[in-house]
Amino acid sequence: DGGITQSPKYLFRKEGQNVTLSCEQNLNHDAMYWYRQDPGQGLRLIYYSQIVNDFQKGDIAEGYSVSREKKESFPLTVTSAQKNPTAFYLCASSSGDTQYFGPGTRLTVL
Amino acid sequence: GESVGLHLPTLSVQEGDNSIINCAYSNSASDYFIWYKQESGKGPQFIIDIRSNMDKRQGQRVTVLLNKTVKHLSLQIAATQPGDSAVYFCAENIGSGAGSYQLTFGKGTKLSVIP
Repeated sequence: DGGITQSPKYLFRKEGQNVTLSCEQNLNHDAMYWYRQDPGQGLRLIYYSQIVNDFQKGDIAEGYSVSREKKESFPLTVTSAQKNPTAFYLCASSSGDTQYFGPGTRLTVL
Repeated sequence: GESVGLHLPTLSVQEGDNSIINCAYSNSASDYFIWYKQESGKGPQFIIDIRSNMDKRQGQRVTVLLNKTVKHLSLQIAATQPGDSAVYFCAENIGSGAGSYQLTFGKGTKLSVIP
């Protein structure tokens, strides 16, 4: 996992609630990413940020929001607009082509 | 659809044997490839990478082969150990421009090592 931390490890959400997943890195990487992983599927990109105060939507951004106020931090908010949020969420960072991942947060909607 | 895929969803090998995991890609513009290992409930772990100007790259007990003619990537694990049991997936970067570091991921192959 090398320098990328995600919290919490497990998160439970009631329908209609917004929740925020934390991602921090001490690798001095410029770029950070959020992915969603569902069983039997490849990783799908939610949002990414190549520099502080700038971010772009990925393939499945609807129902999610992010911020990048600090180089080290890239929190992801799962809003009530996300209809099927139960999944394993992975954060990654990179200084070039190679992305390194955090340990993940498993979000379950009750 | 995804441009990165795998030939086999599951692979069982005897401990000590060599493992070969395959990946097909469809984008001929891809210039960078990575193999990741993901254990259950954990984040993907970088194993090895290769650029399109290379055919082969070796690491510790792992070798990645790239065949650009047939758009095929493989990961070879020598002397497979129980700790190698995990899901392995490949990723590609089409390199569409400076600062374009987005990767496309395959679904993965589950490797099971039989003691």
